[in-house]
Amino acid sequence: EAGVAQSPRYKIIEKRQSVAFWCNPISGHATLYWYQQILGQGPKLLIQFQNNGVVDDSQLPKDRFSAERLKGVDSTLKIQPAKLEDSAVYLCASSLDFGRAYNEQFFGPGTRLTVL
Amino acid sequence: RKEVEQDPGPFNVPEGATVAFNCTYSNSASQSFFWYRQDCRKEPKLLMSVYSSGNEDGRFTAQLNRASQYISLLIRDSKLSDSATYLCVGWMDSSYKLIFGSGTRLLVRP
Repeated sequence: EAGVAQSPRYKIIEKRQSVAFWCNPISGHATLYWYQQILGQGPKLLIQFQNNGVVDDSQLPKDRFSAERLKGVDSTLKIQPAKLEDSAVYLCASSLDFGRAYNEQFFGPGTRLTVL
Repeated sequence: RKEVEQDPGPFNVPEGATVAFNCTYSNSASQSFFWYRQDCRKEPKLLMSVYSSGNEDGRFTAQLNRASQYISLLIRDSKLSDSATYLCVGWMDSSYKLIFGSGTRLLVRP
C-alpha cells in the first residue's frame, strides 16, 4: 500500500516569498492533517480536513498560511509571505477517519522549508 | 506550561542496556496516549499505544499513571537500531487532535 506522498522534499526561499506544498494521502483516507515541526520540537497541528471540509484550523496563522483540499483527496498548503520563523518541516498525515484516538495517523516524509 | 512535557535527553546508553523515558501531561481531559518514534530526518511513526493497565510489545513496555498524569516507556535490551527520538503523544477528545511532546532522543552505542 502506498504511503502519504509529499512534494517537494526540500525548499529554500527568501523571506517574503511564497511557497506551496503538496500532499497526497493514503487512498481511502478521509482525514488529512498538516503539521509544522520546528527543529527540536514535536509536530504541531496546523489544519485538519475531513474530506474537503475543514475540521480544525485554530492553529493556522491565517494571515499568511492557507490550505485547501478541494476534491477531498490531495491537498496544498501555501505560505505567503514567508517569514524566517516559518523554517520547519511541514508534515502531512492521513487517517481513515477522525474523532477517535485509535484512528492511526500515517505521516508523509515531509517538506523541509528553509527561509533565508 | 506545555500540555505534554518530556526530557529532551539525549540518553546515551550501551547496547543491551535498559532505558526508561518519562512524560508528563497537564490536561487531565486527555484520554489516550501513544508513543511515536521518529528517526533522524524521517517522519514520526506510531510505536505503541499506552494503557492504564500497561502495554508490552516485545522489548518495549508503556505505562500510564492517570493519578500522577505520567507516562513511561521502557526499552529492554537496547539495540543500535533503537536510536531515534521518542515522542510522547496525547489525544484530546475535546478537539480530536494529537498533542505531541518535544521528544526524547536516544542514542544506543556499540
